[in-house]
Amino acid sequence: DAKTTQPPSMDCAEGRAANLPCNHSTISGNEYVYWYRQIHSQGPQYIIHGLKNNETNEMASLIITEDRKSSTLILPHATLRDTAVYYCIVYTNYGGSQGNLIFGKGTKLSVKP
Amino acid sequence: DSGVTQTPKHLITATGQRVTLRCSPRSGDLSVYWYQQSLDQGLQFLIQYYNGEERAKGNILERFSAQQFPDLHSELNLSSLELGDSALYFCASSVEATNEKLFFGSGTQLSVL
Repeated sequence: DAKTTQPPSMDCAEGRAANLPCNHSTISGNEYVYWYRQIHSQGPQYIIHGLKNNETNEMASLIITEDRKSSTLILPHATLRDTAVYYCIVYTNYGGSQGNLIFGKGTKLSVKP
Repeated sequence: DSGVTQTPKHLITATGQRVTLRCSPRSGDLSVYWYQQSLDQGLQFLIQYYNGEERAKGNILERFSAQQFPDLHSELNLSSLELGDSALYFCASSVEATNEKLFFGSGTQLSVL
């Protein structure tokens, strides 16, 4: 089972920031938070990941709370092409763990003109 | 373009039949993963290979099997097909055995009639 909780859907106006929340209250110390997205029926696409510090790349920013029990993915200027299902995943390969990425139901983000 | 190639894009077959899905990973990636996505189950991890060896197994049915060849391409074999096997099948690849950033192909849409 997925270890994360996300809202099933969100809307965002084009050009505005999209803030996608994720709860992972049972996250353990060596688990990372990963974000992927899936644009309609395409293969999922990696966005960003982090452990405890905030991270930023060319696609998005990831803000992780100090207690690591929740995080927020921020798309700073959402476009129509950002309409997709966004998956928040916790994962570790610590100690050679054989765990694999478990995708939950994600958040369906709709960016509207 | 993720660099992962899956063929065929669409496959229509009848119950009881056997099909083979093919995946070529990104150049340099040693690990291949197979996922199944159906409307009611979401994205389910099936199996992972690393450099020709099975690495991890998920919810893969006994009617399904996979292998990774010396040139690192992989095939997923589905036999005794049932209506419920209709789904999108994704292949992903990564550099290392422990998956962190996965690159997904565009999938094979299997329809069992």
